[in-house]
Amino acid sequence: QKEVEQNSGPLSVPEGAIASLNCTYSDRVSQSFFWYRQYSGKSPELIMSIYSNGDKEDGRFTAQLNKASQYVSLLIRDSQPSDSATYLCAGIHYGNNRLAFGKGNQVVVIP
Amino acid sequence: EAGVAQSPRYKIIEKRQSVAFWCNPISGHATLYWYQQILGQGPKLLIQFQNNGVVDDSQLPKDRFSAERLKGVDSTLKIQPAKLEDSAVYLCASSLVQGMNTEAFFGQGTRLTVV
Repeated sequence: QKEVEQNSGPLSVPEGAIASLNCTYSDRVSQSFFWYRQYSGKSPELIMSIYSNGDKEDGRFTAQLNKASQYVSLLIRDSQPSDSATYLCAGIHYGNNRLAFGKGNQVVVIP
Repeated sequence: EAGVAQSPRYKIIEKRQSVAFWCNPISGHATLYWYQQILGQGPKLLIQFQNNGVVDDSQLPKDRFSAERLKGVDSTLKIQPAKLEDSAVYLCASSLVQGMNTEAFFGQGTRLTVV
């Protein structure tokens, strides 16, 4: 199993709907997680961090961490065309504190 | 607060040539990372520094890649000789400290094309 996995294909959602992204992680990764947004041709931008089991809300974004099932998710409410981007999940590797990324999920918000 | 600075933004070289990238992290950030991002993939860590010491370089192709951070501030990443498969965006990131709750911030990246 890869350290951080994002297996879903591109996600198309209509404007105003909820976009839901999931990420799973292996035992080699700690329970500190980050969601980055990356626009095409741009560098990743940190949008959410979550360290504790449960939900964390910031504006239209909600991150959810489930330690028992080893997954972390990101919900984008009231999706806007400006949310169209690739979303990268990242976690910190035990031992050397290396920040490991998943391959990313592309989100397309359709006006 | 100034962000992570990288240069150059773009570079085109022929295979077997050498190239160097420069990064200046956010002031006061002890940890500096170099990532390679190939189109359509997530960033892959090449090397991680804590001040001027190497924390992790397990995924750095050491036969051709080298990096240094001599004074614990800015850093250079070098490729010599370059191969076609090195075409990617090279991202530098920094964080205040390394550890469980560390948030990393990225520079704009250097897009390398090897022809």
